Amino acid sequence: DQQVKQNSPSLSVQEGRISILNCDYTNSMFDYFLWYKKYPAEGPTFLISISSIKDKNEDGRFTVFLNKSAKHLSLHIVPSQPGDSAVYFCAAVGSQGNLIFGKGTKLSVKP
Amino acid sequence: DAGVIQSPRHEVTEMGQEVTLRCKPISGHDYLFWYRQTMMRGLELLIYFNNNVPIDDSGMPEDRFSAKMPNASFSTLKIQPSEPRDSAVYFCASSSGSGFSYEQYFGPGTRLTVT
Repeated sequence: DQQVKQNSPSLSVQEGRISILNCDYTNSMFDYFLWYKKYPAEGPTFLISISSIKDKNEDGRFTVFLNKSAKHLSLHIVPSQPGDSAVYFCAAVGSQGNLIFGKGTKLSVKP
Repeated sequence: DAGVIQSPRHEVTEMGQEVTLRCKPISGHDYLFWYRQTMMRGLELLIYFNNNVPIDDSGMPEDRFSAKMPNASFSTLKIQPSEPRDSAVYFCASSSGSGFSYEQYFGPGTRLTVT
């Protein structure tokens, strides 16, 4: 049973527009979340994180929003660029400090 | 820093053969993780170590899989005997337990194909 869910396997966006990637979780005890980005033939790389004491964290073009009551977080990329095309993984920190990943969303940004 | 190093990058083997995947974590990191990525299951944690000691191996699919970390700079994941359903990309990651940071640094992965 998946504790972290990314229900959209893929997303296609025009360059310059906003990309919104969504993630839902089931365990209300989760209090720290991370987003990773993965290019083909490479390992995932850390992008941005958020603690449950916040509802928003921004880093340049990337913003993560957390809605604890809905057990939902989202990653916004504005403006989207072709180089953002990758697979994005949402992850929650488990009780032992391990990461629990969603299955990923493949983002394609078209020029 | 060279980052997390994994070898080999690609491995093709026949069913029944033993496969050994290798990982060198980032120097100074005290956590090491092994993950497997498949289309069906996504990125799943197999096992992780803290200070060379296995902490949680509940993700290891079955007894055919074993992992060791004989020292702080080296870990292996062994599959014996291998089966076609073990075909996947295997990632090693490391992190530092100090401070409030859960960021893990991943290696480039080993793509395993079992025929």
